[in-house]
Amino acid sequence: GENVEQHPSTLSVQEGDSAVIKCTYSDSASNYFPWYKQELGKGPQLIIDIRSNVGEKKDQRIAVTLNKTAKHFSLHITETQPEDSAVYFCAATPKAAGNKLTFGGGTRVLVKP
Amino acid sequence: NAGVTQTPKFRVLKTGQSMTLLCAQDMNHEYMYWYRQDPGMGLRLIHYSVGEGTTAKGEVPDGYNVSRLKKQNFLLGLESAAPSQTSVYFCASRPPTGNEQYFGPGTRLTVT
Repeated sequence: GENVEQHPSTLSVQEGDSAVIKCTYSDSASNYFPWYKQELGKGPQLIIDIRSNVGEKKDQRIAVTLNKTAKHFSLHITETQPEDSAVYFCAATPKAAGNKLTFGGGTRVLVKP
Repeated sequence: NAGVTQTPKFRVLKTGQSMTLLCAQDMNHEYMYWYRQDPGMGLRLIHYSVGEGTTAKGEVPDGYNVSRLKKQNFLLGLESAAPSQTSVYFCASRPPTGNEQYFGPGTRLTVT
């Protein structure tokens, strides 16, 4: 089955700096890669996603890049703000698995004011 | 819309006790999922359902059972709780089209 590795496990940045989280996946058939943000005491919430036919996608301060050859994808947050502090999860879905997501282990991001 | 709700929010069980976690969604979603979240391991899929009356095993199904008697509800049962089942449990739902899963607020379960 699919295996998703996520790094780093914790990330501390100064407000205004950029944050980058990287994930690798094992199943070359995976075709959908979402990123979820989980605030303290809440369930995860989708913030951005990308399909395998696209190399990059942006939404305001958030961007995701995908390298299918290397089987890795990354989340980029620019101009970080205190409200970006949360746990971020990447995930991947092999086409054969329908829409069952395999999640990475999570990255705890702390934005210091 | 309340979205996805979970009952209870917290529970402490003794080893060997049983309990049922309830997930309810008011978005008329076909797909529903149960995950467990453990530190450093992300979310792991326990069981899922692609529609009323159907269930299927996920990545870590042992020790759990589920039922989807009504489209809006997905129940997760622990027949004989073990300390290894101490975790935070999340339910999610998804419409038949689109990929976003909508998560509930979670249930924190401790088994002593």
